[in-house]
Amino acid sequence: QKEVEQDPGPLSVPEGAIVSLNCTYSNSAFQYFMWYRQYSRKGPELLMYTYSSGNKEDGRFTAQVDKSSKYISLFIRDSQPSDSATYLCAMSTTNTGTASKLTFGTGTRLQVTL
Amino acid sequence: GAVVSQHPSWVICKSGTSVKIECRSLDFQATTMFWYRQFPKQSLMLMATSNEGSKATYEQGVEKDKFLINHASLTLSTLTVTSAHPEDSSFYICSAPESGEKQFFGPGTRLTVL
Repeated sequence: QKEVEQDPGPLSVPEGAIVSLNCTYSNSAFQYFMWYRQYSRKGPELLMYTYSSGNKEDGRFTAQVDKSSKYISLFIRDSQPSDSATYLCAMSTTNTGTASKLTFGTGTRLQVTL
Repeated sequence: GAVVSQHPSWVICKSGTSVKIECRSLDFQATTMFWYRQFPKQSLMLMATSNEGSKATYEQGVEKDKFLINHASLTLSTLTVTSAHPEDSSFYICSAPESGEKQFFGPGTRLTVL
């Protein structure tokens, strides 16, 4: 079993839809949770960074963390064709003073159609 | 967000030659940087952790003599692919933590070995 599970998709939605992307994890030591967006042939771009359980909102994006269920989500409101990309969840363990390695999900390919 | 650059963005080389890829943190210092490779439609695979002032830490299965890493300063890490072969063709991406666990990625370097 992988440490982080993420549905690879592809996920196709019409423009304006609300998108829900999810990851589950098995390692309870994960404390930091991130969502990255990656366009084809580009490096990942950090979208959301959360530490505690609960919701964090930034514009059209909302990140949700449920540590008790080991489940994180990213919601995209009013989706746009420009949101079409691969979305990667990533996690790391407690900050001990030096950055720890990120563990990634496989990524979900999202296609927003006109 | 913080900016991480990579150079070159793409490179084509002949089999047997060595290729150097640079990763720079432009507006922050990073004692640690990470190097990944990514094959088409796959997630990122961590190759090694680059540590300023000390040896890099390689992931299991990554040949340290093949992939030489030098963290020359607090803003620069280099990855040299020695005696490159076609199977080394891939997308190489670096990341650096700006603060705590928040990591920013470079735009990637596409290596093609003929």
